[in-house]
Amino acid sequence: LAKTTQPISMDSYEGQEVNITCSHNNIATNDYITWYQQFPSQGPRFIIQGYKTKVTNEVASLFIPADRKSSTLSLPRVSLSDTAVYYCLVGPMDSSYKLIFGSGTRLLVRP
Amino acid sequence: GAGVSQSPRYKVAKRGQDVALRCDPISGHVSLFWYQQALGQGPEFLTYFQNEAQLDKSGLPSDRFFAERPEGSVSTLKIQRTQQEDSAVYLCASSRDRGSADTQYFGPGTRLTVL
Repeated sequence: LAKTTQPISMDSYEGQEVNITCSHNNIATNDYITWYQQFPSQGPRFIIQGYKTKVTNEVASLFIPADRKSSTLSLPRVSLSDTAVYYCLVGPMDSSYKLIFGSGTRLLVRP
Repeated sequence: GAGVSQSPRYKVAKRGQDVALRCDPISGHVSLFWYQQALGQGPEFLTYFQNEAQLDKSGLPSDRFFAERPEGSVSTLKIQRTQQEDSAVYLCASSRDRGSADTQYFGPGTRLTVL
C-alpha cells in the first residue's frame, strides 16, 4: 500500500479555512484516497474519499491533482470542535480491507 | 440503530492476567476489524472477520492474542498473560459489506493499561 506523508501538526483559528496536504508519491492506479478524523477518546470517523479531481461533502472538500501524488483536505471555516487528528489513507477499494494509518496531522483550532 | 459499541471502555490489568475485550458491531454488518492504537500513533490492523470467519490475523502481535466472532456478530479479543507493551487502545470497526468498498465505522475503543 502507498505510504503517506502529512504534517505532524497544524494550528488555526476559528473561522479560518484549513488545508491539510498529504503526499503519496507511490500511489497506484487503483488506489483511492480517504481521510479519517479522530477526536480524543473516540475511534476514527470517515470524512471523505476520492480518486481524482475534487470531491465535496457537507464536512470537507478533497482536492486531488492530475498526477495524484498528493491530496489536500480542506475544512472550511473551522470551529473549536474541529480540533482532532486527521489521517490520510491510500489504498485500493476493491481488494484491501486493512486500513493503514500513519501518525496523522494533529489540528488545533484556537479561539 | 446504534453505532459500534465496545466494553469495557477502560481496563486495568496486572501483568500476567488475561483480559477479554468485547465489540458489538452495527447490526447486519458483515465485516469486523480489530485495531491497536498506541499513544500518539495511528491505529494498526490486528485482525479481520467476514461473518464468523477470521480471514486475516496477520496483525496479531503474538500468540497471546486471540480473537473470535462465533456467531458472526459480537466479537471478543482476548489477550493472555498481558505484558506492559500490550497497553494501548483497542479499536473495533465494522462495515456493511465485504472488503473495504464500504466505510468502516469505529467504536470508541477500550483503553487497556497493564501494570
